Amino acid sequence: QKEVEQNSGPLSVPEGAIASLNCTYSDRGSQSFFWYRQYSGKSPELIMFIYSNGDKEDGRFTAQLNKASQYVSLLIRDSQPSDSATYLCAVNHRGTYKYIFGTGTRLKVLA
Amino acid sequence: DAGVTQSPTHLIKTRGQHVTLRCSPISGHKSVSWYQQVLGQGPQFIFQYYEKEERGRGNFPDRFSARQFPNYSSELNVNALLLGDSALYLCASSHGTGAPSASTDTQYFGPGTRLTVL
Repeated sequence: QKEVEQNSGPLSVPEGAIASLNCTYSDRGSQSFFWYRQYSGKSPELIMFIYSNGDKEDGRFTAQLNKASQYVSLLIRDSQPSDSATYLCAVNHRGTYKYIFGTGTRLKVLA
Repeated sequence: DAGVTQSPTHLIKTRGQHVTLRCSPISGHKSVSWYQQVLGQGPQFIFQYYEKEERGRGNFPDRFSARQFPNYSSELNVNALLLGDSALYLCASSHGTGAPSASTDTQYFGPGTRLTVL
């Protein structure tokens, strides 16, 4: 079992729709969770982080964390073609400063 | 403020050669982490340094080494290059203070160095 798992996609959504990206992790002691966006050929760009169970909203983005189910998700409202990218989920490995990344989900927003 | 900077942008080497990659963190950040990202995969952790001390190491061979300087910039060195070392090498900057998993340790990535080994 991989430590952080994401569906590789591509996930295709029409412009204006809600895109839902999911991530599961195996280490129950993980405490910090991050979503990065990566355009092709570029480096990862931080979208948001979440530490507590529940929802955290930042503009069109909402991160959801459920530690009991070891699940974190990212919702993108009013999806735009410019949101088309790979979305990486990262988990801070318990007790260390190391981030463990999933393989990423490729999102395609269709105009 | 400038973000994380890395040099060079691109690099082409041949098998067996040595390479040095450089990184300067965000002003005020004291910690630098290095990651390797192979095409189609997520970044893999190589090292983290804080105040010139290694604070974490991933599952990479001893051919990979790094150091951090008093101005918090960092170098990643890779010896005896293999074809499989071809990847995007990412440097991430964070405050580094506080306990692991602290909010102050959020990592911000530089533009990366694309290494091609022929």
